[in-house]
Amino acid sequence: AQTVTQSQPEMSVQEAETVTLSCTYDTSESDYYLFWYKQPPSRQMILVIRQEAYKQQNATENRFSVNFQKAAKSFSLKISDSQLGDAAMYFCAYRSEGGTYKYIFGTGTRLKVLA
Amino acid sequence: NAGVTQTPKFQVLKTGQSMTLQCAQDMNHEYMSWYRQDPGMGLRLIHYSVGAGITDQGEVPNGYNVSRSTTEDFPLRLLSAAPSQTSVYFCASSRRGRGGNTGELFFGEGSRLTVL
Repeated sequence: AQTVTQSQPEMSVQEAETVTLSCTYDTSESDYYLFWYKQPPSRQMILVIRQEAYKQQNATENRFSVNFQKAAKSFSLKISDSQLGDAAMYFCAYRSEGGTYKYIFGTGTRLKVLA
Repeated sequence: NAGVTQTPKFQVLKTGQSMTLQCAQDMNHEYMSWYRQDPGMGLRLIHYSVGAGITDQGEVPNGYNVSRSTTEDFPLRLLSAAPSQTSVYFCASSRRGRGGNTGELFFGEGSRLTVL
């Protein structure tokens, strides 16, 4: 069974600084997607960034980028130039492409942005 | 564009009561799923479906039933509510396959359920 682990329950970053959130996963599959979702206090789930396992190039979306290490099964999220609006829960997620398309989430990291 | 609609947003039940959380999506997504979110536990998959007539269990299926008679609807049933089922529930849907915005999971607004 696939698992997703986020070992940092909470992180803090100074406004305008850079922070990295960690995620590791376990799978025997070779074809899958990885995601980072943001959940602000409104409870809405917002897609931040996605990575296809067969693409070696790390995904980037404006201030958000990932470090995808397939062999190490690691998928960290880097937020550059942190803003107050980045404060939220961040969830790492795995989607199987092996037919089930099942999504598995990690336990989340609460990010605090300090002014 | 409604996206994923789940109802009700809030519900209080007594132990032993039954209820159904409704979920509907208008994006013709094949994949639909239910999660529960508890503090420190993240989102845990309850049940999911890859198409009409097909359902499967997730990580925490006990105490919940689902059915998928149409592509659009995926209700979650609690047959005999227990205090351990107090949680926030999310319905979510996605396209299968690749291309376009493949992979993105679209969420409903969540339903807060309290079982006394």
